[in-house]
Amino acid sequence: RKEVEQDPGPFNVPEGATVAFNCTYSNSASQSFFWYRQDCRKEPKLLMSVYSSGNEDGRFTAQLNRASQYISLLIRDSKLSDSATYLCVVNPYNQGGKLIFGQGTELSVKP
Amino acid sequence: DAGITQSPRHKVTETGTPVTLRCHQTENHRYMYWYRQDPGHGLRLIHYSYGVKDTDKGEVSDGYSVSRSKTEDFLLTLESATSSQTSVYFCAIRNPAGSYNEQFFGPGTRLTVL
Repeated sequence: RKEVEQDPGPFNVPEGATVAFNCTYSNSASQSFFWYRQDCRKEPKLLMSVYSSGNEDGRFTAQLNRASQYISLLIRDSKLSDSATYLCVVNPYNQGGKLIFGQGTELSVKP
Repeated sequence: DAGITQSPRHKVTETGTPVTLRCHQTENHRYMYWYRQDPGHGLRLIHYSYGVKDTDKGEVSDGYSVSRSKTEDFLLTLESATSSQTSVYFCAIRNPAGSYNEQFFGPGTRLTVL
C-alpha cells in the first residue's frame, strides 16, 4: 500500500465547476500536510498547508481528518488556469522534514 | 519565489559515466533535499542535508551520493549512471524556523541516461 494515495484522475470539469480531491495517508504519526500544485514539466509549488481545523484561501478549501487519515482539497468556481496536477503531501514526524508525495491528481478545466 | 537554481537543467549522458547535479540556494536555509520524479511513483526522496557536511539517506539512495561543503550548495552525484536513473531531479529547501515544514523546489533537472 502506498503511504499517500490519491485518485490519479484525470478530472475534466467545465469552468465554474466545483471539484474535490481526496487523499489518504497511512502513517498516523504524520505531523504536517500540504497540497502542492504542479504544472506540466515544472516544479511542484506549494498551494496551501492543511491545518487541523481546516483552512480556506480564496477559492480553495483544505480539510484534514486525522482520525480517518484523510485530506481533501475543494476548488470552487474553477478557472482554466487551475488546470494542473495536484499533489497531496504528508510530513512524517521526526524524519528530518522528509515529505511523502502522492502520485497526484490531474485536473483539466475546459471552457 | 524561493532563490533556488539547479544546473544543468537538461543533460543527456551515457550508461557508466559519472554525473553531478548542482543545487544552489540564496536563502541560507539549513535543510536541502534531492528528489526524483518518475511516472507512476510521484516524487521520492534520494538524500537530504541538515547542515554543512551533514547528510542522510532517503528512500531511493542506492547509486547516488551527495555532498554539502557550503550552506548554499548541495551536489548530487551519480557515480556510474544507469538507464534506471533517467528521471527528473528536483532540489528543495526548507526553513526549519518556518511554521509548518514547507519545502520549496528548484526548477528541476531532466536527466536522460542512454
